[in-house]
Amino acid sequence: EAQVTQNPRYLITVTGKKLTVTCSQNMNHEYMSWYRQDPGLGLRQIYYSMNVEVTDKGDVPEGYKVSRKEKRNFPLILESPSPNQTSLYFCASRTATGGLNEQFFGPGTRLTVL
Amino acid sequence: QKEVEQNSGPLSVPEGAIASLNCTYSDRGSQSFFWYRQYSGKSPELIMFIYSNGDKEDGRFTAQLNKASQYVSLLIRDSQPSDSATYLCAVNEEGGKLIFGQGTELSVKP
Repeated sequence: EAQVTQNPRYLITVTGKKLTVTCSQNMNHEYMSWYRQDPGLGLRQIYYSMNVEVTDKGDVPEGYKVSRKEKRNFPLILESPSPNQTSLYFCASRTATGGLNEQFFGPGTRLTVL
Repeated sequence: QKEVEQNSGPLSVPEGAIASLNCTYSDRGSQSFFWYRQYSGKSPELIMFIYSNGDKEDGRFTAQLNKASQYVSLLIRDSQPSDSATYLCAVNEEGGKLIFGQGTELSVKP
């Protein structure tokens, strides 16, 4: 089954404790991205990757890092989480040539930073 | 910063009625427009996309695009309680990026 998976699905942590949210897709997609969703603000792109070893900032990259060492994986790293990073996070993927109507979203990770 | 605006709602309609959801966007160069449905705590699900001016129908859903006025709308005919969700409008930006509106919460009352 074609899918995007994220782990963990729920996480409660404390300020300053480094964490990683994993994202993996099994569709051989080149393009992957991370979004955060906050009430009243819709989905905002954090980082995206056009292919292996190619990443770039989205609209709200501050406080986040990403890496793309393998095509299937695109982890989101919070080196020193803060309460304002409490949010619902979504990973998404699509082919480089495919239309935006072929973008797949992961199930989401709800992060709470105390 | 390119913007996509939606009325956050909630929009409440009775079962069987037509729900009308609206979205405006700031970038005249946008070419592709998308409507996602999102149930609470779940990931967005694409339900409609439209590229050309006019209407596009798919079952009970109709997307309407007016590029001159920079708005796109979604009509849901014969609304059902299962249509109760947040509807996100998204517009493409250069480079294949999507800009999302804040979403409109729809509530369909039995």
